[in-house]
Amino acid sequence: AQTVTQSQPEMSVQEAETVTLSCTYDTSESDYYLFWYKQPPSRQMILVIRQEAYKQQNATENRFSVNFQKAAKSFSLKISDSQLGDAAMYFCMQTGTYGGSQGNLIFGKGTKLSVKP
Amino acid sequence: EAQVTQNPRYLITVTGKKLTVTCSQNMNHEYMSWYRQDPGLGLRQIYYSMNVEVTDKGDVPEGYKVSRKEKRNFPLILESPSPNQTSLYFCASSFRQGQNYGYTFGSGTRLTVV
Repeated sequence: AQTVTQSQPEMSVQEAETVTLSCTYDTSESDYYLFWYKQPPSRQMILVIRQEAYKQQNATENRFSVNFQKAAKSFSLKISDSQLGDAAMYFCMQTGTYGGSQGNLIFGKGTKLSVKP
Repeated sequence: EAQVTQNPRYLITVTGKKLTVTCSQNMNHEYMSWYRQDPGLGLRQIYYSMNVEVTDKGDVPEGYKVSRKEKRNFPLILESPSPNQTSLYFCASSFRQGQNYGYTFGSGTRLTVV
């Protein structure tokens, strides 16, 4: 079975500093997609960044970037210049591309990020 | 505005009383799915639908039913709710599954079964 593991239930960062959230996953597929979603207290799920497994280049979206290590099945999220608005629950998610797992979305248990002023 | 609309946002019900949580999207998305979110467990997939009349079980389908009679709607049905189904529920959709379109989520439904 596919699994996604976020080993840090809670993290804290000082405003303007950099923080990295960890995510590892387990899949037998060679092609898949990985996502980070943010859930602020409003509980809305907001897409932060996405990565295609067949692309070696790490995805970047403004202050957010990932370190994708396919062989190690690792997909960490780096937030640079942290802002108070970054405080939220962050979920790592993996989905397949074909076959029986195509419809499955597998989420990690989440990392709660606090930002200190 | 492109969105996924869930109703109701909050619901308190009694054990055994059938209920339906509606989910509707206006983006012509093929793929729709349901999740429950519980503290310390993240989001777990209940059911998904790759297209009209095509549904399949996720990780935690017991006690739930779904139907996809038309493309825009994907209701979640609890025939006989129990207290262990108290949770936060999300519906999500995507243009086409298996490709990198990302997912749009509804605003969530907080369900309490007493």
